[in-house]
Amino acid sequence: ETGVTQTPRHLVMGMTNKKSLKCEQHLGHNAMYWYKQSAKKPLELMFVYSLEERVENNSVPSRFSPECPNSSHLFLHLHTLQPEDSALYLCASSQSGTGGLEQYFGPGTRLTVT
Amino acid sequence: GENVEQHPSTLSVQEGDSAVIKCTYSDSASNYFPWYKQELGKRPQLIIDIRSNVGEKKDQRIAVTLNKTAKHFSLHITETQPEDSAVYFCAASGDYGGSQGNLIFGKGTKLSVKP
Repeated sequence: ETGVTQTPRHLVMGMTNKKSLKCEQHLGHNAMYWYKQSAKKPLELMFVYSLEERVENNSVPSRFSPECPNSSHLFLHLHTLQPEDSALYLCASSQSGTGGLEQYFGPGTRLTVT
Repeated sequence: GENVEQHPSTLSVQEGDSAVIKCTYSDSASNYFPWYKQELGKRPQLIIDIRSNVGEKKDQRIAVTLNKTAKHFSLHITETQPEDSAVYFCAASGDYGGSQGNLIFGKGTKLSVKP
């Protein structure tokens, strides 16, 4: 599959569960991002990885833990989430530097916390 | 930090009419302004972008204008079609000492094109 892929596409979890979201990009990019998209809110940037190093953590609660083992893969580990964490979680990638900032998004994981 | 305001939040037009969505930004260092289209249940996709050294850019039925002095930029869609119905997001990003900042998104505009 080309572009940016995310798994799973849908996830329902209880507040005591531990789960992980996976993102993979096949574009040769060196920056990857996690966004949260809730109804009637702008896209909220959660984490940024550039060259596999976390360069930004936008005051995200510690129940969200990112991991970037290499430039093609990004994970978001979830534990003890709250119902208000239910949202669409989007991964994106781009080529950092002066080449442009176009971000390519994955299809998202629709997360429901019960 | 940067703040991006987008208006209107919803827009309904008749097929064939034009649609205009406006965004304002706060950081004068912002120099890159993309527009993303997100159809229902799909991922956001870049449809057009503009950099601060250009005042206007066109691609077929869509155009973006930038007014650096007033710190606002707009998306114009002409001859709208039902398939233009989607949520449109503007964003802004700045150059900070040679390092490009992250994209800050507006809240989105839900465009409905009625046949």
